[in-house]
Amino acid sequence: GDSVTQMEGPVTLSEEAFLTINCTYTATGYPSLFWYVQYPGEGLQLLLKATKADDKGSNKGFEATYRKETTSFHLEKGSVQVSDSAVYFCALSGLITSGTYKYIFGTGTRLKVLA
Amino acid sequence: EAEVAQSPRYKITEKSQAVAFWCDPISGHATLYWYRQILGQGPELLVQFQDESVVDDSQLPKDRFSAERLKGVDSTLKIQPAELGDSAMYLCASSTGGTGEFDTQYFGPGTRLTVL
Repeated sequence: GDSVTQMEGPVTLSEEAFLTINCTYTATGYPSLFWYVQYPGEGLQLLLKATKADDKGSNKGFEATYRKETTSFHLEKGSVQVSDSAVYFCALSGLITSGTYKYIFGTGTRLKVLA
Repeated sequence: EAEVAQSPRYKITEKSQAVAFWCDPISGHATLYWYRQILGQGPELLVQFQDESVVDDSQLPKDRFSAERLKGVDSTLKIQPAELGDSAMYLCASSTGGTGEFDTQYFGPGTRLTVL
């Protein structure tokens, strides 16, 4: 079945450091790919998404490119801030029945940014 | 900005008791989802509704869990009886349901359940 694999955390960085969180997927067909962020005690918020190969999603300085050849959707940010400390989830939208889709989430990667 | 509402935010119960969670999706969203998130893991889909119909409940433990969305708007998830292993965050999400795999899901703040 469809699956998402994320790098294990926690990832600890100093403020202004470069961030990469790896995400690879296994899916039949061509799913849409998403990154969600979860701050402590809160629900998930959509960070960015890409719906087809070579699409780049971007938001709040974060970027991720849909790479079909490597089945990857790595999250990057050039300069992290303390406020970026959160758990980041990679997800895909997979077909379950004709016309019906569901999300498959990775296990999440905790990011801690130190001042 | 419209949001998904959930209540209660926190629930502490003893094992073998019944608990219920409520979710009000964003107005006009046809698809509603209930997820369970165990600490340190990603959300796992329990049940998915399209309007008032269940389209996927393959991961719902049906001997103790039930979910309904009677009028295709708000929804209730019930656990009876609760077990220690049910302690988790229960998340509700909604989407328009009209764009297939491109649908963006919007999540509520969740209900943190602790079973003693």
